[in-house]
Amino acid sequence: EVQLVQSGAEVKKPGESLRISCKGSGYSFASYWIGWVRQMPEKGLEWMGIIYPDDSDTRYSPSFEGQVTISADRSISTTYLQWRSLKASDTAVYFCVRLFEGGWLQPFHYWGQGTLVTVSS
Amino acid sequence: EVVMTQSPVTLSLSPGERATLSCRASQGITNCLAWHQQKPGQAPRLLIYGASTRATGVPARFSGSGSGTDFTLTISSLQSEDFAVYYCQQYNDWPPSYTFGQGTKLEIK
Repeated sequence: EVQLVQSGAEVKKPGESLRISCKGSGYSFASYWIGWVRQMPEKGLEWMGIIYPDDSDTRYSPSFEGQVTISADRSISTTYLQWRSLKASDTAVYFCVRLFEGGWLQPFHYWGQGTLVTVSS
Repeated sequence: EVVMTQSPVTLSLSPGERATLSCRASQGITNCLAWHQQKPGQAPRLLIYGASTRATGVPARFSGSGSGTDFTLTISSLQSEDFAVYYCQQYNDWPPSYTFGQGTKLEIK
């Protein structure tokens, strides 16, 4: 069974750094693109970027380029989403999601449970 | 980047009725269109991909159609568990992009 298990909720202050994680299991982790999606409170879904864990090829949405860093450690089947300096506007639920099949031209398929990030002074 | 526009924003129907949700792409995306369902407090769930193929375990009352720029998700006879927010998503752009529509909230009338 394919599973994506994300790290727990975080409460941070503006200016702090943060890294959240997403661990995949039940499939060949390195062989499927994984994406990250933001959902701000009471808002819709926004794709942030995708990464191919085998070689860490990463593509970002123009809206998030330079704002976050996506990385992967294939040895522990985990991808990460990282901020250097959080803002209050980063408050949201963040989902990781595996693409349907190999290759990037695929829909988002298996979703993690989401990680709530709250940034408040 | 391709912009996805869904209509209506909110759809109020009763159980047993037929629901028709629309999604329009700002440029042609062939059939690279997915539909996701999201219930409150939950992660989204893939329903339809390739514009018309149901994902594993999705009931037959859900169907998708369309190609190019105009797409439709139809729920033939609404069940109580179908009231949720539905998002369309394109995955045909280059460089890679996976833009979502703004969502349609399907609520009980």
